[in-house]
Amino acid sequence: QKEVEQNSGPLSVPEGAIASLNCTYSDRGSQSFFWYRQYSGKSPELIMFIYSNGDKEDGRFTAQLNKASQYVSLLIRDSQPSDSATYLCAVKDAGGTSYGKLTFGQGTILTVHP
Amino acid sequence: SQTIHQWPATLVQPVGSPLSLECTVEGTSNPNLYWYRQAAGRGLQLLFYSVGIGQISSEVPQNLSASRPQDRQFILSSKKLLLSDSGFYLCACSRGNTDTQYFGPGTRLTVL
Repeated sequence: QKEVEQNSGPLSVPEGAIASLNCTYSDRGSQSFFWYRQYSGKSPELIMFIYSNGDKEDGRFTAQLNKASQYVSLLIRDSQPSDSATYLCAVKDAGGTSYGKLTFGQGTILTVHP
Repeated sequence: SQTIHQWPATLVQPVGSPLSLECTVEGTSNPNLYWYRQAAGRGLQLLFYSVGIGQISSEVPQNLSASRPQDRQFILSSKKLLLSDSGFYLCACSRGNTDTQYFGPGTRLTVL
């Protein structure tokens, strides 16, 4: 069974610090990786996706992918209290019959304190 | 960009009652559509996905069913709700041959 693992947290960081969120996955053939943010009581919203090894930056967010280690991370620079949320890692299944299917991790709760 | 509508936003139903949740999408044609459930304090569980009208794939055996009567309409149903059906139901869509999924606002279902 394909698995996506995240540390449930909570991860607590001070305002202005870098928050580092980690995710490992079991399906070695996976090619697409996504980070979503979910505020309490709300639906997930896409932060960014990454397909290639290395770093991808978008504003204060950087996604890092290492396919050899089956590891994807999300860095949030200059963390703000408004970043406090649950962060979900999602991995697209590699199988041809599971087109578009994502497997989600349990999510990491991030708290940014002033 | 697409917009996903879900209704109702919240629902409280007795055990054994039927269920119908609706999802509609604007701003894109022939989307791939997905139903997820998120139980309290748990991750997202994929229930159904659809790549076209009348095409439904089920991921988890249960008392729920899904239908896609129109290109941009996806319905989740049950004939008899169980207590374990309580949760946050999310509809998502992806466009064409892209993998990125976008979520609707969700329906919070409480079965009593």
